[in-house]
Amino acid sequence: ETGVTQSPTHLIKTRGQQVTLRCSSQSGHNTVSWYQQALGQGPQFIFQYYREEENGRGNFPPRFSGLQFPNYSSELNVNALELDDSALYLCASSSSLTEKLFFGSGTQLSVL
Amino acid sequence: ILNVEQSPQSLHVQEGDSTNFTCSFPSSNFYALHWYRWETAKSPEALFVMTLNGDEKKKGRISATLNTKEGYSYLYIKGSQPEDSATYLCALRMDSSYKLIFGSGTRLLVRP
Repeated sequence: ETGVTQSPTHLIKTRGQQVTLRCSSQSGHNTVSWYQQALGQGPQFIFQYYREEENGRGNFPPRFSGLQFPNYSSELNVNALELDDSALYLCASSSSLTEKLFFGSGTQLSVL
Repeated sequence: ILNVEQSPQSLHVQEGDSTNFTCSFPSSNFYALHWYRWETAKSPEALFVMTLNGDEKKKGRISATLNTKEGYSYLYIKGSQPEDSATYLCALRMDSSYKLIFGSGTRLLVRP
């Protein structure tokens, strides 16, 4: 059983650029959620995907978008990056059989 | 705006001390309460998921209680060890989606 993996681990971008973050779910999990953790705060829910469809969204603008693929891996895309997008982005997978979320180690994004 | 509050923000204890911290949440629309342990440079790891008022869960030296009527959960660590040093996050699930509302965490440091 493989865990949740995220790539890259660190990324530096400049304001206005676009970024894609990737996540491989734990084997057997069909739901993936993305969270943003800014410094000093708890993780904030961005959105969730279930069987390749968006299944809930937090208070984030449309320039935050995502995809889930048939193998349940996922991408988070952020367009027109802003300085405030600098944060740790966490991916978490789950299934209908387990209440718990299984997290990856995150991608640390810095926007300069 | 729904807030999940954790206290204290940080805690320093001596090895062998027992300690506890609090998670407060709005008691309306409760579905589940999660606790996660997040060690530096690792992924958040699920400790407990609690759903019923009066629930008590235990995992080794760590235990948790839940009061959904008054909106709080306590996490206890008996005989703290240096390896317990981590940030402890609680998160509220309010409905059937997997969206979690996280607190900002309690950072625990256990001195040898």
